[in-house]
Amino acid sequence: GQNIDQPTEMTATEGAIVQINCTYQTSGFNGLFWYQQHAGEAPTFLSYNVLDGLEEKGRFSSFLSRSKGYSYLLLKELQMKDSASYLCAVRPNTGGFKTIFGAGTRLFVKA
Amino acid sequence: GAVVSQHPSRVICKSGTSVKIECRSLDFQATTMFWYRQFPKQSLMLMATSNEGSKATYEQGVEKDKFLINHASLTLSTLTVTSAHPEDSSFYICSARDRQGGLNSPLHFGNGTRLTVT
Repeated sequence: GQNIDQPTEMTATEGAIVQINCTYQTSGFNGLFWYQQHAGEAPTFLSYNVLDGLEEKGRFSSFLSRSKGYSYLLLKELQMKDSASYLCAVRPNTGGFKTIFGAGTRLFVKA
Repeated sequence: GAVVSQHPSRVICKSGTSVKIECRSLDFQATTMFWYRQFPKQSLMLMATSNEGSKATYEQGVEKDKFLINHASLTLSTLTVTSAHPEDSSFYICSARDRQGGLNSPLHFGNGTRLTVT
């Protein structure tokens, strides 16, 4: 089966750095995605990792360790607009480009 | 680029009626689209994979006769909730993957449809 775990909620201060962790167990692995979702809106793509290591994209970075079934999303220089849910999603090796989502981590950025 | 349009954004219907939701990829072709359902403060739950020109693939526990999916072209998939009941009230989101993309191609999401069944 598929299982993706991430913390339910996190709170951080504007200007700070926050790390959102995700662990997964899936039937095969074809990559891990991070999405951002504001309340009542559609998710938007942030990052993709398929090889071990860190992918940096502006204020956001994502890390993957396939042997540990572990990823994190790092947000730097937090802004109030970063308050949103962050969804960890895995593409298992079941064909058809299916993508399974974790429950999401609600991030609250306070002044 | 990579815009997915989903309509309607909100719909209220009476119990027992059917509701059709449309999902269109506006600037790319999608042989595969995915329909998700999301309850408040919960994850996106994959309902089914919509395949252009063939039958949809449903996830375990999703009734294919209740949630009818049609993917008649490379840019349009529809989800029809038949004989809707209050427990079907939810946020339905479609997503599509560019057919020219590889394994690293992300899903592009529509803005979702808030269905309320009274």
